[in-house]
Amino acid sequence: EAGVVQSPRYKIIEKKQPVAFWCNPISGHNTLYWYLQNLGQGPELLIRYENEEAVDDSQLPKDRFSAERLKGVDSTLKIQPAELGDSAVYLCASRGTGPNTGELFFGEGSRLTVL
Amino acid sequence: DAKTTQPPSMDCAEGRAANLPCNHSTISGNEYVYWYRQIHSQGPQYIIHGLKNNETNEMASLIITEDRKSSTLILPHATLRDTAVYYCIVSPSNFGNEKLTFGTGTRLTIIP
Repeated sequence: EAGVVQSPRYKIIEKKQPVAFWCNPISGHNTLYWYLQNLGQGPELLIRYENEEAVDDSQLPKDRFSAERLKGVDSTLKIQPAELGDSAVYLCASRGTGPNTGELFFGEGSRLTVL
Repeated sequence: DAKTTQPPSMDCAEGRAANLPCNHSTISGNEYVYWYRQIHSQGPQYIIHGLKNNETNEMASLIITEDRKSSTLILPHATLRDTAVYYCIVSPSNFGNEKLTFGTGTRLTIIP
């Protein structure tokens, strides 16, 4: 079974440029998360989807960040315009239903460097 | 959500048991204890979780004190591949509304 797939793995852009990250969760997983991880810190939740509905986006900086999960499967996280402080790893995770549903499956992340 | 306290770093000799402590003194009755680890340049990986009973799986054992205010993750025979940051997280059992809140974790280094 394929895991959570994220792309690109690495992205270098200049400040004020836009950037987008893509995530394909594990097949059948209804819950999808985007996390932000700064260097030396633990991941911080940006947004959580249940199917196509964003049920928790309280930590998403909505002035420059947006996310979508149109068909309840894969998802895109966009930053426009990017700032120097956005340099971080953006992690996507998914969770299924049924027994042991507390386990989140993470992708390898997308590392963003803003110059 | 209850907060957790972990030592910032630990070393363990290869082949020995690694015991990683976690303090969660404000945990409430319906909150589970989760452990994840993150190997360098990878996403976090689930290890184990429990409510009040001790748990064991193929990766590790989780020992939760009777008052549930602390727990210990045990890696019985540590290998170099166990070098990682280990996160202890408490989260409500209502999975429909939960979010895992990661702290800064314990950086475990396995020494050859």
